[in-house]
Amino acid sequence: DAKTTQPPSMDCAEGRAANLPCNHSTISGNEYVYWYRQIHSQGPQYIIHGLKNNETNEMASLIITEDRKSSTLILPHATLRDTAVYYCIGGSNYKLTFGKGTLLTVNP
Amino acid sequence: DTGVSQDPRHKITKRGQNVTFRCDPISEHNRLYWYRQTLGQGPEFLTYFQNEAQLEKSRLLSDRFSAERPKGSFSTLEIQRTEQGDSAMYLCASRSAYGSLTNEKLFFGSGTQLSVL
Repeated sequence: DAKTTQPPSMDCAEGRAANLPCNHSTISGNEYVYWYRQIHSQGPQYIIHGLKNNETNEMASLIITEDRKSSTLILPHATLRDTAVYYCIGGSNYKLTFGKGTLLTVNP
Repeated sequence: DTGVSQDPRHKITKRGQNVTFRCDPISEHNRLYWYRQTLGQGPEFLTYFQNEAQLEKSRLLSDRFSAERPKGSFSTLEIQRTEQGDSAMYLCASRSAYGSLTNEKLFFGSGTQLSVL
């Protein structure tokens, strides 16, 4: 699985876009980029995943650079309920390897 | 919505005791995973089942840890002779039978929080 690097913490104002970066320079051509989040005392929740193209769903957008060495998760209008640890994972979904993630704090 | 269910939600035990946790995956999911999470860390993969077959168990932390999924539905994770270092959140996840292995999302339960005194 690709090693990923994320900032340990970020802040965002409520209602603004939250842009969470992730570096995955060792990702191979067939490995997907996954994003999950974990709200305190709950299990991780799937957000989005992609291979090469940018992806959007009802929760977020995923922007993957052309060289696939980094990506950005965008929460377009962050709310207080989006406060969580966000994990960027590169690799096989058969065995997701979680790092420490980014603690996103959405402030009122 | 019948998501992934884990029981118990919390377990307190004394060092040296055996504990067993149960996971009920989403009904149509044939793939089931166990993870462990300690404070401040991301979840750590332990083992994986496809139906009743345990396809990887190399990450089980020691021979005190074992997992079963006898009928391909619910699964149990047992820890024998618990140690204080086993204190952690134990998470179960499942995924759909369909789709390629690298293009499907996992659904996690809320976990079992184990405290070993």
